[in-house]
Amino acid sequence: DVKVTQSSRYLVKRTGEKVFLECVQDMDHENMFWYRQDPGLGLRLIYFSYDVKMKEKGDIPEGYSVSREKKERFSLILESASTNQTSMYLCASRTPGQGGEQYFGPGTRLTVT
Amino acid sequence: GQNIDQPTEMTATEGAIVQINCTYQTSGFNGLFWYQQHAGEAPTFLSYNVLDGLEEKGRFSSFLSRSKGYSYLLLKELQMKDSASYLCAVYNNAGNMLTFGGGTRLMVKP
Repeated sequence: DVKVTQSSRYLVKRTGEKVFLECVQDMDHENMFWYRQDPGLGLRLIYFSYDVKMKEKGDIPEGYSVSREKKERFSLILESASTNQTSMYLCASRTPGQGGEQYFGPGTRLTVT
Repeated sequence: GQNIDQPTEMTATEGAIVQINCTYQTSGFNGLFWYQQHAGEAPTFLSYNVLDGLEEKGRFSSFLSRSKGYSYLLLKELQMKDSASYLCAVYNNAGNMLTFGGGTRLMVKP
């Protein structure tokens, strides 16, 4: 049974705090992704990674950074959290190439106050 | 760039059939996915189309026309548990990633 896990389901942080969102997959997938999902805006890609230590900016990378030190783990970092980063954050992984199903983690609901 | 359009909301009656459309404009198209997402949960895979035609999987079917940049998801014998958002996503080979539409929120009424 494939699995993508995220470190927290719910998180509340204060403005200016540094926030780490962790994602782990057990499928040996090369590709991993971080999205945020907001009402009316759908899923938007923040960053993705093709392999260990590799990262690419998605559509909305500003205010975020990522780390991929091990194949199974992809971390999203908010250097200085702001209220407009309050959102649902979803991690996903997949095998590269067409047709590879993308598996999502359960999501982290982050509130920045 | 890529542009994916689907209706924001739809309502249907339990036991009925509903069709959710998705149109897309993209370069390097290499497949289209449909995902289901219940409120507060992660999206789960429903279907994948890369060739033209209809793919049937139980009560759910998905259709693709690459020349028209068009897909639909057909849900038959609707059940209350089918109330969810349905996300259309296009795979772009050049970028090796999925781009998602805004999702269609389906409400099934008794």
